[in-house]
Amino acid sequence: GAVVSQHPSWVICKSGTSVKIECRSLDFQATTMFWYRQFPKQSLMLMATSNEGSKATYEQGVEKDKFLINHASLTLSTLTVTSAHPEDSSFYICSAEDITDTQYFGPGTRLTVL
Amino acid sequence: GQQLNQSPQSMFIQEGEDVSMNCTSSSIFNTWLWYKQDPGEGPVLLIALYKAGELTSNGRLTAQFGITRKDSFLNISASIPSDVGIYFCAGRSASGANSKLTFGKGITLSVRP
Repeated sequence: GAVVSQHPSWVICKSGTSVKIECRSLDFQATTMFWYRQFPKQSLMLMATSNEGSKATYEQGVEKDKFLINHASLTLSTLTVTSAHPEDSSFYICSAEDITDTQYFGPGTRLTVL
Repeated sequence: GQQLNQSPQSMFIQEGEDVSMNCTSSSIFNTWLWYKQDPGEGPVLLIALYKAGELTSNGRLTAQFGITRKDSFLNISASIPSDVGIYFCAGRSASGANSKLTFGKGITLSVRP
């Protein structure tokens, strides 16, 4: 149990385009999901907390208009990187929180912006 | 802000050896979690600890929630090559709406066959 999927697993896009990443909890409902980014050889950096049915809460320094989050259902949250630039290239990982407040992570999405 | 300290950054052990990793903080946490991350993948939950003093095992892994609530350790016994990876500790100081995790910087474990 407690499986979280992400799609796509990797994406390459041109500078200026937008990219949508999906995060799904496959066998449990998650009122709260989290979006992280991770640079090589570094720890996970929390970007935002996604709450089903309400606006996401962004961490300091994360632009909400650039990283759009939609938590449309209890099993799906999406992160859209708008007008992506090379500096947005990173490994984006989501997590979903179960009823015990335990976070289970997705496999990550490697974004490369050319 | 809250910080979790993991050191050293890297550990090198021989296959079959036991290894212990510590995670410490100056702040109190109510939940401690240990994750393992393989290259190019998301972290996988190894052990979750919810109560001070709790000692929990998962196969060859054992973790304890420190009695002061400011530390935790993870032991791996009889290491095997597939134990290679990055081990992160994470702590949570609140529940519900403020249930963000604070992560340590991780320890990269290498196992020599």
